[in-house]
Amino acid sequence: GENVEQHPSTLSVQEGDSAVIKCTYSDSASNYFPWYKQELGKGPQLIIDIRSNVGEKKDQRIAVTLNKTAKHFSLHITETQPEDSAVYFCAASFHSGGGADGLTFGKGTHLIIQP
Amino acid sequence: NAGVMQNPRHLVRRRGQEARLRCSPMKGHSHVYWYRQLPEEGLKFMVYLQKENIIDESGMPKERFSAEFPKEGPSILRIQQVVRGDSAAYFCASSLDSGNTIYFGEGSWLTVV
Repeated sequence: GENVEQHPSTLSVQEGDSAVIKCTYSDSASNYFPWYKQELGKGPQLIIDIRSNVGEKKDQRIAVTLNKTAKHFSLHITETQPEDSAVYFCAASFHSGGGADGLTFGKGTHLIIQP
Repeated sequence: NAGVMQNPRHLVRRRGQEARLRCSPMKGHSHVYWYRQLPEEGLKFMVYLQKENIIDESGMPKERFSAEFPKEGPSILRIQQVVRGDSAAYFCASSLDSGNTIYFGEGSWLTVV
């Protein structure tokens, strides 16, 4: 089955600086890579996703890059703000258009924005 | 448009009791997923259901756990004879169709005492 490794487990950055979280996956058949933000006591909220036919995707201060050859993908947050403080999870799955679609998650990165 | 609704948000059960967690998917979504999150851990896939069908239950423990998504009403995750190790946050998610974006609910926190 799929295995997703996520690093670092904790990341502390100064407000206004950039933050980068990295994930690797094991199953070369995986073709869908979402990122979720989870605040304390709440459910995961999708912030950005990328599919394997795209190398990079950007949405305002958030961007995701994908390297299929190396089987790794990264989340980049620029101009960090206090409200970016949360736990971020990467995930991977194979979307076939039918059959099982369970996401495999990394263990999460606790992002702390220092004022 | 209402999101994925889960209830109860918090549930306390004594060892040996049954826990029932309910999930109403987003409007128009017919695919439901259950995940479990242990403290300081990522989310682990448990089961994937469509209306009246279990598609993939490879992540669900073979004993005491069951899930259903009837033609009418919410999806139910049932845990029989709960043990302390069942204490966790249980998240439901839904999608419009297989291959579409998955949206999560706010979770149900189960505490077994």
